[in-house]
Amino acid sequence: GEDVEQSLFLSVREGDSSVINCTYTDSSSTYLYWYKQEPGAGLQLLTYIFSNMDMKQDQRLTVLLNKKDKHLSLRIADTQTGDSAIYFCAESHPSSSASKIIFGSGTRLSIRP
Amino acid sequence: DVKVTQSSRYLVKRTGEKVFLECVQDMDHENMFWYRQDPGLGLRLIYFSYDVKMKEKGDIPEGYSVSREKKERFSLILESASTNQTSMYLCASSLRRRASTDTQYFGPGTRLTVL
Repeated sequence: GEDVEQSLFLSVREGDSSVINCTYTDSSSTYLYWYKQEPGAGLQLLTYIFSNMDMKQDQRLTVLLNKKDKHLSLRIADTQTGDSAIYFCAESHPSSSASKIIFGSGTRLSIRP
Repeated sequence: DVKVTQSSRYLVKRTGEKVFLECVQDMDHENMFWYRQDPGLGLRLIYFSYDVKMKEKGDIPEGYSVSREKKERFSLILESASTNQTSMYLCASSLRRRASTDTQYFGPGTRLTVL
């Protein structure tokens, strides 16, 4: 079945790196995503990675994919207070009609001074 | 920029009322989605639509229906609201059918409370 799992909370000190982990079960997923939800707002796409890639870097964000273990991680370098949000891991689930996305439960990242 | 708007940010209704949640996107997207978001459960797909007048059930369609009469508008209907439908409702849209790369663009959400 389809399932995406991630831990619910992460607390890091300002300036440190944050690493948010995720596991998924659908080996047929072609794309994996990281979305960010700031308080009171909808979800915003941060980045995505194609399943045949191991790593993708975009400024302070680094995505690592271990397809064998079905493990995805998001590293945020030099974490700032503006990074406080809920981060959702998600996998694509191609269907006959529309491109569906399966979301994890979200990891709430809080920043300590 | 893609814009997805939802008719209300906050809504309070009574048990048994009929509730309409409206979503509009302005980028001619083919796909539209309705999710509910609950603490610890993430986003769960209620219904989605890949074309005008077309709809498919998501993971938790019970107690909900949808309507897509125009491409830009996707409505979620609670025929008889119940307290367990108190939640945050998020609408999203994406550009094309069957495209795994399609980014989903989200509205700001409607927080519905059913008393």
